[in-house]
Amino acid sequence: TQLLEQSPQFLSIQEGENLTVYCNSSSVFSSLQWYRQEPGEGPVLLVTVVTGGEVKKLKRLTFQFGDARKDSSLHITAAQPGDTGLYLCAGVAGGFKTIFGAGTRLFVKA
Amino acid sequence: GAVVSQHPSWVICKSGTSVKIECRSLDFQATTMFWYRQFPKQSLMLMATSNEGSKATYEQGVEKDKFLINHASLTLSTLTVTSAHPEDSSFYICSAGSGNGREQYFGPGTRLTVT
Repeated sequence: TQLLEQSPQFLSIQEGENLTVYCNSSSVFSSLQWYRQEPGEGPVLLVTVVTGGEVKKLKRLTFQFGDARKDSSLHITAAQPGDTGLYLCAGVAGGFKTIFGAGTRLFVKA
Repeated sequence: GAVVSQHPSWVICKSGTSVKIECRSLDFQATTMFWYRQFPKQSLMLMATSNEGSKATYEQGVEKDKFLINHASLTLSTLTVTSAHPEDSSFYICSAGSGNGREQYFGPGTRLTVT
């Protein structure tokens, strides 16, 4: 069974702090997505990483795909209250077979 | 682009009745759609994969006779919760697969409450 372990599961920080969320697996993924979900809404796609070692930046968010395509990280610089939400990583094994992490619930205090 | 809608956004029904939830891809054709269930403060649990024109593929432990899925067109999939019970109360989310086989675009979800 493929698993995608996401950590931490919960994070409460002050505005302006930096944070990193990790997703790790023993399986190789053809691509990996990061989503953000707010309460009562569906997840919204933030980024897709495909190539091992790939780094993508989205304003204050930096996404990295591991060289072996088994792990990924999301780093947020100078977090803001608007970053509050549930962050989900999802690894695609192939043919839409997607494994979701358990999610990281982030709360940024003003 | 890549907008997925769901209807209704929330529904309350009595135990024993059936409820139909619609999922539409508004600006693209989706041969594959997915149905998820999400419990409070938890991640998404895949219920089934819906392919246009063929039978849905259900995940282990999901009763196909209770959760009926129909994918009649490239833009519409429906999930019918039959003979609903209070334990079926949950947040149901659909997604549509992108053409490259990687991303999924999610609908806004439907909150079902069975009384």
